[in-house]
Amino acid sequence: DTAVSQTPKYLVTQMGNDKSIKCEQNLGHDTMYWYKQDSKKFLKIMFSYNNKELIINETVPNRFSPKSPDKAHLNLHINSLELGDSAVYFCASSQDIGPGWRYGYTFGSGTRLTVV
Amino acid sequence: GQNIDQPTEMTATEGAIVQINCTYQTSGFNGLFWYQQHAGEAPTFLSYNVLDGLEEKGRFSSFLSRSKGYSYLLLKELQMKDSASYLCAVWELTGGGNKLTFGTGTQLKVEL
Repeated sequence: DTAVSQTPKYLVTQMGNDKSIKCEQNLGHDTMYWYKQDSKKFLKIMFSYNNKELIINETVPNRFSPKSPDKAHLNLHINSLELGDSAVYFCASSQDIGPGWRYGYTFGSGTRLTVV
Repeated sequence: GQNIDQPTEMTATEGAIVQINCTYQTSGFNGLFWYQQHAGEAPTFLSYNVLDGLEEKGRFSSFLSRSKGYSYLLLKELQMKDSASYLCAVWELTGGGNKLTFGTGTQLKVEL
């Protein structure tokens, strides 16, 4: 069973389109995240949700809108896609602070978004 | 805010030992992680340090000095499969929750 699963794995789309990436975790974790990894491999946090509540919202254009219908799911919707949005987007989850935290995040396999 | 520095690239020989350094500056340090990321794959957990000293786990060890804002990952008996990017990440406790802030990663190439 995949612990953190993202779909789709690859996404190629034209500028101006709207697209969504879905993420689900079956680990029972309370917190989920979206990270963006650019062409230089720099991994930067975008959002985090704890029990469906938005906790962290870094400086991200408001074209990006996360949605968490329940604590096992965190989706990312992107409006009016731009060339600069091309990157790999990783979903991750973690337990709240406690003994399980020392294992950090569990990442999904990533979604490679290419905007043409 | 966070500032995390690590070398961009390193090359080592199969069977050798390599040390990857990481320095950080942070206002809310709560621990340091090392992750391994193979090309085209997700980062995977290697180690976690919250207290000063060395944590050893098989061929991999990680060291932390909180007073110096310094950590290193030590890889022994290098194997070809160790060729990957190694990411240093600092756990910061923010107002509403916690987050990991990553360094830019060190691309390690293991050669014969």
